[in-house]
Amino acid sequence: AQSVTQPDIHITVSEGASLELRCNYSYGATPYLFWYVQSPGQGLQLLLKYFSGDTLVQGIKGFEAEFKRSQSSFNLRKPSVHWSDAAEYFCAVGADSNYQLIWGAGTKLIIKP
Amino acid sequence: DTAVSQTPKYLVTQMGNDKSIKCEQNLGHDTMYWYKQDSKKFLKIMFSYNNKELIINETVPNRFSPKSPDKAHLNLHINSLELGDSAVYFCASSQRGRTADYGYTFGSGTRLTVV
Repeated sequence: AQSVTQPDIHITVSEGASLELRCNYSYGATPYLFWYVQSPGQGLQLLLKYFSGDTLVQGIKGFEAEFKRSQSSFNLRKPSVHWSDAAEYFCAVGADSNYQLIWGAGTKLIIKP
Repeated sequence: DTAVSQTPKYLVTQMGNDKSIKCEQNLGHDTMYWYKQDSKKFLKIMFSYNNKELIINETVPNRFSPKSPDKAHLNLHINSLELGDSAVYFCASSQRGRTADYGYTFGSGTRLTVV
C-alpha cells in the first residue's frame, strides 16, 4: 500500500539557518511527489512537485527538494529560513491513475529568532 | 478571483444541529474533494467527485453527505452534529489525469466547532 512518512513532528531552526524536512514514501511505481505548506489559519499551498526528469526540483519561496529513488525519499530543503517560513509542511504522493493523494502527517517548522 | 472558495470560514454550532459548508472552484477542474483536518493536523480524505459523480467515499459517518450540483461546486452537509466533528474542513480541486502536473488547489478551510 502507498504510504508517506514524515519522521519529524516538529523541527526548530534559527532564522537564517538551513533547513531540511524529511519525507519517505512507499509506492510501487514511479511516484508523483509533492510538498505543500500550510501557514497558520490558512489552506494548503503547493510548494513544489516532482514527476519526472531532473531529480532536484525548485519551488516557490526559495525551497527545493531532491528525489532519491534508492532511498525512497523526497526531502525538502531551504538554505536560509525566514521567520515567515514558520508553518506546517506536508509531503504527499500520488498516481495519475487515480484521484487521490496520500499525505504525510506533516512537520511543524518553528523558527527561533 | 479566488480559485477555490469555501463558505463559511468559521462555523460554531450546537450538538445535534444540521449544517452545510459550500465550496466553489473557478479553475475549470473536474474533480473536487473534501478533506478533514483534525487537531493534530492530520489530513483525511472524505469524498471526491469527478464531474458530479462520486468516486471516493472514505469511511465517514452517514451523517455526512456531499452534494455536487455541477462540476464547479461541491457542498458538504452534516446532520446531527457531534463534538467529534469539530475540525477544519478543506475543499480542494484538481484536473482529472493532471494531478501530477498541478496537484491540488485547496480552499482556505472551514473551522467547524461543535459545542
